[in-house]
Amino acid sequence: GEDVEQSLFLSVREGDSSVINCTYTDSSSTYLYWYKQEPGAGLQLLTYIFSNMDMKQDQRLTVLLNKKDKHLSLRIADTQTGDSAIYFCAELGGSYIPTFGRGTSLIVHP
Amino acid sequence: DTGVSQNPRHKITKRGQNVTFRCDPISEHNRLYWYRQTLGQGPEFLTYFQNEAQLEKSRLLSDRFSAERPKGSFSTLEIQRTEQGDSAMYLCASSYARTFGYGYTFGSGTRLTVV
Repeated sequence: GEDVEQSLFLSVREGDSSVINCTYTDSSSTYLYWYKQEPGAGLQLLTYIFSNMDMKQDQRLTVLLNKKDKHLSLRIADTQTGDSAIYFCAELGGSYIPTFGRGTSLIVHP
Repeated sequence: DTGVSQNPRHKITKRGQNVTFRCDPISEHNRLYWYRQTLGQGPEFLTYFQNEAQLEKSRLLSDRFSAERPKGSFSTLEIQRTEQGDSAMYLCASSYARTFGYGYTFGSGTRLTVV
């Protein structure tokens, strides 16, 4: 079945770039998403990439997709303390049901 | 439209009791999903509806769980004879089929604590 893997923690200094990585197994994935979850809240869609793209930039966010290796990354430029949250990678396969990773907890130090 | 609304936000119940949660999706969205999230985990798929039809259910959805979406608008998730292992955040999401690029809009969730 589908599986999405992420590293659990990332710690960066304010102003640095953060890179959160994700791998997935479903070769039929069409869309890949990045969601952000703050404490006690639901998930907020940050950005997405279609499987025929290899890069997408949206303000401070850059998504890179290596479809051959089934590897997705999210780069946050100029990371701020307000970016501290849990970031989830999700893939949409043929079932049209998003499958989520366990989330990467991003901690931003002042 | 203020997004996906879930009620209640928190529910504490005694083991063995029944609970029901409600989700009001974005009005023009025809797909509605229920997920469960436990501490330290990502959301796990439970079930989803397209309009009023329940199209898929996860193996996680035991016989004690039932979901409905009458008239294709709001949805309810009922858990009968709750167990401590049911304690989790229950998330609802909605989307419009054929617009996968817009992602899935999540509600703030209902946190269930079974004591």
